[in-house]
Amino acid sequence: EIVMTQSPATLSVSPGERATLSCRASQSVSSNFAWYQQKPGQAPRLLIYGASTRATGIPARFSGSGSATEFTLTISSLQSEDFAVYYCQQYNDWPRTFGQGTKVEIK
Amino acid sequence: EVQLVESGGGLVQPGRSLRLSCTASGSTFGDYAMSWFRQAPGKGLEWVGFIRSKRYGGTAEYAASVKGRFTISRDDSKSIAYLQMNSLKTEDTAVYYCSLGELSGYWGQGTLVTVSS
Repeated sequence: EIVMTQSPATLSVSPGERATLSCRASQSVSSNFAWYQQKPGQAPRLLIYGASTRATGIPARFSGSGSATEFTLTISSLQSEDFAVYYCQQYNDWPRTFGQGTKVEIK
Repeated sequence: EVQLVESGGGLVQPGRSLRLSCTASGSTFGDYAMSWFRQAPGKGLEWVGFIRSKRYGGTAEYAASVKGRFTISRDDSKSIAYLQMNSLKTEDTAVYYCSLGELSGYWGQGTLVTVSS
């Protein structure tokens, strides 16, 4: 199965600053790649699919880039509601697999 | 508006079975695939499985950790997807989520399954 590795595990950022999260796939997943946000006690929320397409209703401060094995999620100016755990996922092959998550916390 | 509601979770002993349901409203359920995910307490997300719409054969895919023990099915007349879980293990303890399709962005609120003696 394809292993997804996220870095860093925890990212401490001040409100208004930029956050950059990374995800690496153990083999190419083309652009069949998504990012999710999850807050405590809530279901995950789809942010990005196709590596760079924002899902419906997602603010423009969230952007995704990359292809094949290297992907990045950038939050241009962190808002208070953005502090959460972020997961990457590949949907290129079965089984679908997630990264272990990056927690974005307030610095 | 699309809504998904999971039900059927609870406490079950190791080795026993449980069936979860995911009831959809606000969508043409039969046109969509359905996905199941889970999240163990304090852990990350895990993909459990996927069932195609009848148009695409209605077949299913499974994670290696559940293959042979879990079965996904669907009743399009009732707009319900099922996750039949047999031979449950303590490591199956998790909140289970269903989602419409793969990338619809529509998820249920989750149902907790606790496997313990």
